[in-house]
Amino acid sequence: TQLLEQSPQFLSIQEGENLTVYCNSSSVFSSLQWYRQEPGEGPVLLVTVVTGGEVKKLKRLTFQFGDARKDSSLHITAAQPGDTGLYLCAGEDSNYQLIWGAGTKLIIKP
Amino acid sequence: ETGVTQTPRHLVMGMTNKKSLKCEQHLGHNAMYWYKQSAKKPLELMFVYSLEERVENNSVPSRFSPECPNSSHLFLHLHTLQPEDSALYLCASSQDLGEFHGYTFGSGTRLTVV
Repeated sequence: TQLLEQSPQFLSIQEGENLTVYCNSSSVFSSLQWYRQEPGEGPVLLVTVVTGGEVKKLKRLTFQFGDARKDSSLHITAAQPGDTGLYLCAGEDSNYQLIWGAGTKLIIKP
Repeated sequence: ETGVTQTPRHLVMGMTNKKSLKCEQHLGHNAMYWYKQSAKKPLELMFVYSLEERVENNSVPSRFSPECPNSSHLFLHLHTLQPEDSALYLCASSQDLGEFHGYTFGSGTRLTVV
């Protein structure tokens, strides 16, 4: 069974701090997506990474795909209360299926 | 209206009731999905439709019955549910199957079975 493990499960920090969340697997993925889900809403796609070692930036968010395409990280610089939400990663396997992590619940306190 | 719209947003039903969840997209996408989201668990794929044909059923109990009358609409018919079926049910669409430029999700239906 393919698994995507996200860590930490929960993170609560002060506004202005930096943080990194991780998405790890023993399986190789063709691509990996990151979503943010706010309470009462569905997940919203943030980014898709495809190439091993790829780095993408979205304002204060930096996404990296591992060289072996088995893991990914999301780094947030100077976190703001608007970054609060559930961050989900999902990897595409060789059968074009999406394998989902359980998410990291992030709270940014003003 | 753009995006994926789900109704109702909240639903409370008894174990003997029959109800339906509705999903609508006007993005021109060819694939639609039903997911179940429970707290602290990964999203569980329930059903996949491509061009109105069901292509995957991940061993979902028969008390859940999907229907896709056209490429813009997807329903999930519910009957004789169990309390453990309480969850957030999400509908999503993508341009095509295996089109991993990302899914567009609806806001979900929060289902409570009493």
